[in-house]
Amino acid sequence: QVQLQESGPGLVKPSQTLSLTCTVSGGSISSAVYYWSWIRQPAGKGLEWIGRFYTTGTMNYNPSLESRVTISADKSKNQFFLNLSSVTAADSAVYYCARDHGGYRDLWGQGTLVTVSS
Amino acid sequence: DIQMTQSPSTLSASVGDRVTITCRASQRISNALAWYQQKPGKAPKLLIYKASTLESGVTSRFSGSGSDTDFTLTISSLQPDDSATYYCQQYVSNSPYTFGQGTKLEIK
Repeated sequence: QVQLQESGPGLVKPSQTLSLTCTVSGGSISSAVYYWSWIRQPAGKGLEWIGRFYTTGTMNYNPSLESRVTISADKSKNQFFLNLSSVTAADSAVYYCARDHGGYRDLWGQGTLVTVSS
Repeated sequence: DIQMTQSPSTLSASVGDRVTITCRASQRISNALAWYQQKPGKAPKLLIYKASTLESGVTSRFSGSGSDTDFTLTISSLQPDDSATYYCQQYVSNSPYTFGQGTKLEIK
């Protein structure tokens, strides 16, 4: 079955760039059926959609983060990536990657905790 | 952005109860609404999409209804394993996807 796994540094310094990788197994990010999304959740708070990637190279971003976010992909490795620049403590959160089926997320990674601190 | 407002924020009910959570959208979203269940330390799990379609493998004790701005998630015959936080999410195209603030369901 399809599985998603996030990876990346758990600690990022303020003003630096947060970089995460989502590795997809059991399915292809080149699929025409799905988008591939990033979502985050600060500790004890709700969910925030960050953005998504589609196999054609289309990217959609949350306008609230768009100036700092880049989502990209490496189809040969079946991975997609999140870069969030100029981070502050407010960017500390659990970051999830997920399969996006027309807007709703039907499969999620387990999540990875990222803390922004000096 | 479309704002999603859930009520109540917390809910306490007993095993066997029928429970309803509501979600209201600030604009009409047709049936572009999903419900998720999240347990502590775990990723959200999709329960319902298109407002009322049950995701494969999800127990039929969960059901969804509504359209445009008002939606409900109903859990019939509450079980201990249903203790979790529930989120609604709208996915109207050409709009950033937004989630409700969550409803924490506790079992008495």
